[in-house]
Amino acid sequence: DTGVSQDPRHKITKRGQNVTFRCDPISEHNRLYWYRQTLGQGPEFLTYFQNEAQLEKSRLLSDRFSAERPKGSFSTLEIQRTEQGDSAMYLCASSEANSPLHFGNGTRLTVT
Amino acid sequence: SQQGEEDPQALSIQEGENATMNCSYKTSINNLQWYRQNSGRGLVHLILIRSNEREKHSGRLRVTLDTSKKSSSLLITASRAADTASYFCATTSTGNQFYFGTGTSLTVIP
Repeated sequence: DTGVSQDPRHKITKRGQNVTFRCDPISEHNRLYWYRQTLGQGPEFLTYFQNEAQLEKSRLLSDRFSAERPKGSFSTLEIQRTEQGDSAMYLCASSEANSPLHFGNGTRLTVT
Repeated sequence: SQQGEEDPQALSIQEGENATMNCSYKTSINNLQWYRQNSGRGLVHLILIRSNEREKHSGRLRVTLDTSKKSSSLLITASRAADTASYFCATTSTGNQFYFGTGTSLTVIP
């Protein structure tokens, strides 16, 4: 069990560019979550997968955000046409059913 | 949007003292969890309390839950400098989606 890993740790991009983040969950976990966290705030739910199926997506998530989890293993989160308001820490977590979340250390996105 | 709110927003204590932080939430829950986050890192699960439980202990941690008041408290006894972190409560009503509070920033002064 190597824990949840996220890549990259930091990403600086210019407004309007697309970015993609990757999350590798704990291998036996069938649930995978993406959260966004801004400074001084708690994590805000973005989306949730059970195996390869995306079961829930926050209504706050614009159409510029898309997430995938092919084959129910790793997941990617893509943000198209980034805006300065997208600057945040993007956290991935995985879990088994009815169990606590295991978080990665996040990808910090800065949009200039 | 976030479900819970922690109180206080920030807490500063001397090493060896106890730290108490509170969480209030809005809807009925299946369970409530507390997480800890060190600066620039991901969250680490501390303790889970189910809706039919009133109190739970784990090492120096004590959690209480009052479903009638929709509130929970986390007590850290005999605090250490290494306890300095942000603490978040998270609630779930379905076991699928977890909502986090705004957090309490704890500073333990050596």
